Amino acid sequence: EIVLTQSPGTLSLSPGERATLSCRASQSVSSSYLAWYQQKPGQAPRLLINGASSRATGIPDRFSGSGSGTDFTLTISRLEPEDFAVYYCQQHGSSPPWTFGQGTKVEIK
Amino acid sequence: EVQLLESGGGLVQPGGSLRLSCAASGFTFNTYAMTWVRQAPGKGLEWVSAISGSGGSTYYADSVKGRFTISRDNSKNTLYLQMNSLRAEDTATYYCAKEARPDKYGSGSYPYDYWGQGTLVTVSS
Repeated sequence: EIVLTQSPGTLSLSPGERATLSCRASQSVSSSYLAWYQQKPGQAPRLLINGASSRATGIPDRFSGSGSGTDFTLTISRLEPEDFAVYYCQQHGSSPPWTFGQGTKVEIK
Repeated sequence: EVQLLESGGGLVQPGGSLRLSCAASGFTFNTYAMTWVRQAPGKGLEWVSAISGSGGSTYYADSVKGRFTISRDNSKNTLYLQMNSLRAEDTATYYCAKEARPDKYGSGSYPYDYWGQGTLVTVSS
């Protein structure tokens, strides 16, 4: 099973600041199979990034993904009020289970 | 418009059973693999099970293998999760989700672009 470790657990930032979230895998993950999701309280997750770096439909360009192998990053260039949420990475496509990271909460400082 | 609507959650005693349903609309259901993901209260996301578009291939997390069964009725555009021998640690909101690209014979190649609103399962005496 591939374990995904996200850091930091919580990120306290102000609107307008840059957010950098990390997702580290216990073994190499194909970039094609790394996704990022956003979840707000009381809502289902929303797909942000697929294939490590491709924004999903309707996702603003302030969200970007990068990385390869075992290290992946989600960057939010300038935080908007609606971006304060929990973010999860997920690996899929190799053998199951298709695991999620434990999440990073981006909170208002 | 793609819609996924879960139902069937509720309170059940340990050892009991529940069947969750996910009614799908707005896309060609039988060409897309579908997944169940759960989230315990205040916790993160856990992948539970997946099924190919045809229904011929199924996949399970070790935590539910042998107790849960995923299935689909493509004539009714509905996904199911039969949950038996339920435990307290199965308490969670269960989401159904659709893979982003068609896959009739496998699962896992694509992330999940649409999710239902979730249904809460509580296992307690």
